[in-house]
Amino acid sequence: QVQLVESGGGVVQPGRSLRLSCAASGFTFSSYPMHWVRQAPGKGLEWVAVTSYDGRSTYYADSVKGRFRISRDNSNNTLYLQMNSLRAEDTAVYFCARCDSSGWSASFDYWGQGTLVAVST
Amino acid sequence: QSVLTQPPSASGTPGQRVTISCSGSSGNIGRNDVYWYQQLPGTAPRLLVYPNNQRPSGVPDRFSGSKSGTSASLAISWLRSEDEADYYCAAWDDSLSGPVFGGGTKLTVL
Repeated sequence: QVQLVESGGGVVQPGRSLRLSCAASGFTFSSYPMHWVRQAPGKGLEWVAVTSYDGRSTYYADSVKGRFRISRDNSNNTLYLQMNSLRAEDTAVYFCARCDSSGWSASFDYWGQGTLVAVST
Repeated sequence: QSVLTQPPSASGTPGQRVTISCSGSSGNIGRNDVYWYQQLPGTAPRLLVYPNNQRPSGVPDRFSGSKSGTSASLAISWLRSEDEADYYCAAWDDSLSGPVFGGGTKLTVL
């Protein structure tokens, strides 16, 4: 069965960096675009970034552009999110999600359980 | 402020039919497919409805979606207590080159 398992979250000071991972299994990882979506405590869903199936195309939300970088390792079925210059407003649960469309779409058919990132002094 | 606009709350009694609206613009809902997600407390979101009203395996046919112009709606028929959750609409936005979500609607089953 399809599984997405995030890891790498934790407490980090403002200005520092963190790298999240999302281990995928149960499907052909290299065939699907993958997204990161986050949810601040008590708030709604906010899209963060997307990578195409081959990693050649990426897009970012304005709120993270220039600070975060999404990447993937198709040989190891793993999605990454490198987060630099972290701010308090980046505090959230970060979900990785599979996009089940070959093109750009908001169709996320599988989600991970999420990993909490807390940016605090 | 979310790009897609949803009412913050909705409610109904068991057995009722409830609809949740989602308003956008020509750059998102007007041009792209709309998807609906359900999020139970403490869990990851779950895809509820595809644009053609097909549903992922396990989602009951009590859930249905529709779209007209730059607005969309989710209808839940025969409301049940387990439907109490947060509901989000989402669509790709051509201007932002990314998906956008509604602010979410908290559904209470009275």
